[in-house]
Amino acid sequence: DAGVIQSPRHEVTEMGQEVTLRCKPISGHDYLFWYRQTMMRGLELLIYFNNNVPIDDSGMPEDRFSAKMPNASFSTLKIQPSEPRDSAVYFCASSRDPQREQFFGPGTRLTVL
Amino acid sequence: AQSVTQPDIHITVSEGASLELRCNYSYGATPYLFWYVQSPGQGLQLLLKYFSGDTLVQGIKGFEAEFKRSQSSFNLRKPSVHWSDAAEYFCAVGAVGSGTYKYIFGTGTRLKVLA
Repeated sequence: DAGVIQSPRHEVTEMGQEVTLRCKPISGHDYLFWYRQTMMRGLELLIYFNNNVPIDDSGMPEDRFSAKMPNASFSTLKIQPSEPRDSAVYFCASSRDPQREQFFGPGTRLTVL
Repeated sequence: AQSVTQPDIHITVSEGASLELRCNYSYGATPYLFWYVQSPGQGLQLLLKYFSGDTLVQGIKGFEAEFKRSQSSFNLRKPSVHWSDAAEYFCAVGAVGSGTYKYIFGTGTRLKVLA
């Protein structure tokens, strides 16, 4: 299995631009998680999906952030408009069971200038 | 509310020395417990997990952890540290609370290994 795939690995954009991060979970995993990692706040859960349905989005910082999962093999996290404080590493993870181990992608390092 | 505490932000050990990283959790029942490792520029990788049964669990890379219910702890240990173990280590808890699932990570412990 290729593991969780994220793209792009690095993204540099200017404030106000739209940013779309992509994730392909491991086949057969019904749960997908989006995390944000910064030095100041550590690892934060933004949102998670079960069978393509958003279950808990209480960690999404504000309306500028949105996430979708149109099918079992693809999810996006969109920031519009982006701000410098959104600069972070964004991880996608998937699992078979929400209480069990999660498998992480390599992350997308986002820099908003 | 459920929580995970890793009291040590940074730890430095010499290569070959033993290692113990602390993790304490707060939860009404026995949660699922995990340790992950994150090397620079990488995602998190599972080291080991505890669901039930034997309270001493073995993981990859020679790591082990012991679940102590009385202390609400799940400390990670390694008898002899290698330079390649330098990384950040995260303890995590999987639990159900307020009618929904929660998977909570600690703030991490950054390990530095001296040659």
